Amino acid sequence: AQTVTQSQPEMSVQEAETVTLSCTYDTSESDYYLFWYKQPPSRQMILVIRQEAYKQQNATENRFSVNFQKAAKSFSLKISDSQLGDAAMYFCAYRSASYGGSQGNLIFGKGTKLSVKP
Amino acid sequence: NAGVTQTPKFQVLKTGQSMTLQCAQDMNHEYMSWYRQDPGMGLRLIHYSVGAGITDQGEVPNGYNVSRSTTEDFPLRLLSAAPSQTSVYFCASSFQGLGANVLTFGAGSRLTVL
Repeated sequence: AQTVTQSQPEMSVQEAETVTLSCTYDTSESDYYLFWYKQPPSRQMILVIRQEAYKQQNATENRFSVNFQKAAKSFSLKISDSQLGDAAMYFCAYRSASYGGSQGNLIFGKGTKLSVKP
Repeated sequence: NAGVTQTPKFQVLKTGQSMTLQCAQDMNHEYMSWYRQDPGMGLRLIHYSVGAGITDQGEVPNGYNVSRSTTEDFPLRLLSAAPSQTSVYFCASSFQGLGANVLTFGAGSRLTVL
């Protein structure tokens, strides 16, 4: 069974600085997807960024980028120029690329609470 | 386009009462699922469905029941509520198939069992 581990329960960053959130995962599959979700106090789950395992190029979305190390099974999120609105809980998640059944289920890490100091 | 709609947003129950959390999506998604979120535990899968008439258990199914009579609706039933079921519940859906199918989440339902 696949597992996702976020080793940092809480992180803090100064506004305008850069912060990196860590995520490791365990799987025997070769093809899968990885995601970072943001959950602000409103509790809405917001997709931040996604990565296809077959792509070597790291995904980027504006100030958000990932460092995907497939061999090391590592998927960290870098937030550049941190803003007050980035303060939230961040979840790393894994989803199999296999078709059908339980493979479609999303497996989450326990989350990292990010605080942004003005 | 409403996306995924969950009702109610908040609910307080007494131990032993039953209730149904409603989930509806208007995107013609085959896959639907229910997660519960507890502090320090992340989101854990309760039940999921890959199409009308097809449901299966996730990681924490005990005390919950689901059915999928239509593509649009996937209600979650608590048969006899217990304090351990106090949690925030999320419904999520996506297309089923190859490709990076991103889950669309509902706004969540906070349930308190006294």
